[in-house]
Amino acid sequence: GQQLNQSPQSMFIQEGEDVSMNCTSSSIFNTWLWYKQDPGEGPVLLIALYKAGELTSNGRLTAQFGITRKDSFLNISASIPSDVGIYFCAGRGNAGNMLTFGGGTRLMVKP
Amino acid sequence: DAGITQSPRHKVTETGTPVTLRCHQTENHRYMYWYRQDPGHGLRLIHYSYGVKDTDKGEVSDGYSVSRSKTEDFLLTLESATSSQTSVYFCAISDGGYYGYTFGSGTRLTVV
Repeated sequence: GQQLNQSPQSMFIQEGEDVSMNCTSSSIFNTWLWYKQDPGEGPVLLIALYKAGELTSNGRLTAQFGITRKDSFLNISASIPSDVGIYFCAGRGNAGNMLTFGGGTRLMVKP
Repeated sequence: DAGITQSPRHKVTETGTPVTLRCHQTENHRYMYWYRQDPGHGLRLIHYSYGVKDTDKGEVSDGYSVSRSKTEDFLLTLESATSSQTSVYFCAISDGGYYGYTFGSGTRLTVV
């Protein structure tokens, strides 16, 4: 089946630094989504991407839909302590509504 | 106000006992999903539903059953709980459109 490899698995950064994480797939996806999970809560949608090459921003977050349609990237600029959490990528292929999730990137920010 | 609630939020149960987790939505979405989240494994799909009384298995369905008798409720049952089912369980809903899933706040289940 489809698999998503998300990296890095964890990051420990200083407040103010920029963050980059990515997801790669062995299959083509038509939609890429990025979620954030705060401690003790469910994942919340941050950004959705629908076209190859698309670059979308949401405040300090910027995500890109890779040209090959097999990868996606999320950047966070000028990190702050509330950015702490687990970030998940998810992709939707041609098999209906089903999403495939990456394993998550745990982000820790040192004030 | 998110339109999806899970109950209970926390539960401790003994090995061998049956457990039912409930997911309730007020969005009238067609699709509902149950995931479990464990360290090092991300989110793994247990079962999903694509309509009332229409359900299918996910990648980790062994030991779990589901039921959906009405649009708003999706129940996950552990017939005989085992310690390996200690996990955080998330329900998610979707209308099948372009947007992704909306997740509940989760149920932390501990099997002792």
